[in-house]
Amino acid sequence: DVKVTQSSRYLVKRTGEKVFLECVQDMDHENMFWYRQDPGLGLRLIYFSYDVKMKEKGDIPEGYSVSREKKERFSLILESASTNQTSMYLCASTWGGARSPLHFGNGTRLTVT
Amino acid sequence: EDQVTQSPEALRLQEGESSSLNCSYTVSGLRGLFWYRQDPGKGPEFLFTLYSAGEEKEKERLKATLTKKESFLHITAPKPEDSATYLCACYNAGNMLTFGGGTRLMVKP
Repeated sequence: DVKVTQSSRYLVKRTGEKVFLECVQDMDHENMFWYRQDPGLGLRLIYFSYDVKMKEKGDIPEGYSVSREKKERFSLILESASTNQTSMYLCASTWGGARSPLHFGNGTRLTVT
Repeated sequence: EDQVTQSPEALRLQEGESSSLNCSYTVSGLRGLFWYRQDPGKGPEFLFTLYSAGEEKEKERLKATLTKKESFLHITAPKPEDSATYLCACYNAGNMLTFGGGTRLMVKP
């Protein structure tokens, strides 16, 4: 079974802090994604990556950056956390394309106070 | 712009009361439609992929169907453990994925 592991289930950070969310997958997937999920807004794509050191902006990249130094690891960085970034963050990976569903981690619930 | 709309937003059923969830889509060149189940506090778990109109997939009490405009997730004789949020998502011709807002299903014993 594919395993996507997010390093923290819950995080509480203060406004202005730099926050790192880590995600590791064990299936040698090419593609990795970061989403945020909010009530009433559904899943929104922040960033994705098709290969090591490559990144593409999703629908809501403002206030975030990403890093993919190794194929199995994809990090989401909040450069200066703000209260409107309080959310559930979900990492996913896939081989790519319509023949390959996304496999999700269990999420990180981030609270910024 | 691609759109994926799920209805209803929430559905309450009695145990054993069969029903259907709807996912209607407007997608440029649908290449695949996925159904996911999400339990509270967890990430979505993959259920099915459908590729062409007329296709059906089944798993236990769940059956997914696809037409040119929508997909249905039929739940037969649901049990309380089927309670979850069900998400659908569509891949378009450009390999971009669009999620619907989800249907929160509650099955009472």
